[in-house]
Amino acid sequence: GDSVTQMEGPVTLSEEAFLTINCTYTATGYPSLFWYVQYPGEGLQLLLKATKADDKGSNKGFEATYRKETTSFHLEKGSVQVSDSAVYFCALRFSGGYNKLIFGAGTRLAVHP
Amino acid sequence: DVKVTQSSRYLVKRTGEKVFLECVQDMDHENMFWYRQDPGLGLRLIYFSYDVKMKEKGDIPEGYSVSREKKERFSLILESASTNQTSMYLCASSPSGKDSGNTIYFGEGSWLTVV
Repeated sequence: GDSVTQMEGPVTLSEEAFLTINCTYTATGYPSLFWYVQYPGEGLQLLLKATKADDKGSNKGFEATYRKETTSFHLEKGSVQVSDSAVYFCALRFSGGYNKLIFGAGTRLAVHP
Repeated sequence: DVKVTQSSRYLVKRTGEKVFLECVQDMDHENMFWYRQDPGLGLRLIYFSYDVKMKEKGDIPEGYSVSREKKERFSLILESASTNQTSMYLCASSPSGKDSGNTIYFGEGSWLTVV
């Protein structure tokens, strides 16, 4: 079935380091892809999305490109801040399926000063 | 500003109790969802609803039921709580339609501990 695989955490970085969180998916069609972020004690917020191949989603300095050939949607940021410490979830969704999201397991990011 | 409100942030219940988790959205969305979040497993879909009084099972519906009597409210019910239902529960809503890029909005979550 359809699924999302994320790199295991936790990921620990120093402030201003480069961030990559890998995400790959398995799907029978062409889903939309999402990154959600969960800050401590809060629900999930949409960080960015891409709805078709080669689209690049971006927000708050984060970027991810929809790569159909490698079925990937890796999250990147050039210079992380302490305030980026959170859990990041990659997800996919198909049209016509009542907008159900399928999530990866989540990757915890800890950024130290 | 969009809003999905879960009425209880933290609950402690005893094994065998009936538990209600309430969720209200103010965006007139057709679709509403209940997920549970567990470490290492991500979010798993319990139930969803695409209209008033309509519901569909998600991936892990066992031990749960839902109710949607009004468009804005979607309740998750644990008929007889068990310790393996200790988890974080997240409610979400989204508009209907064929656009799979439609954003899904989440509530802040309800932490349930069953003792």
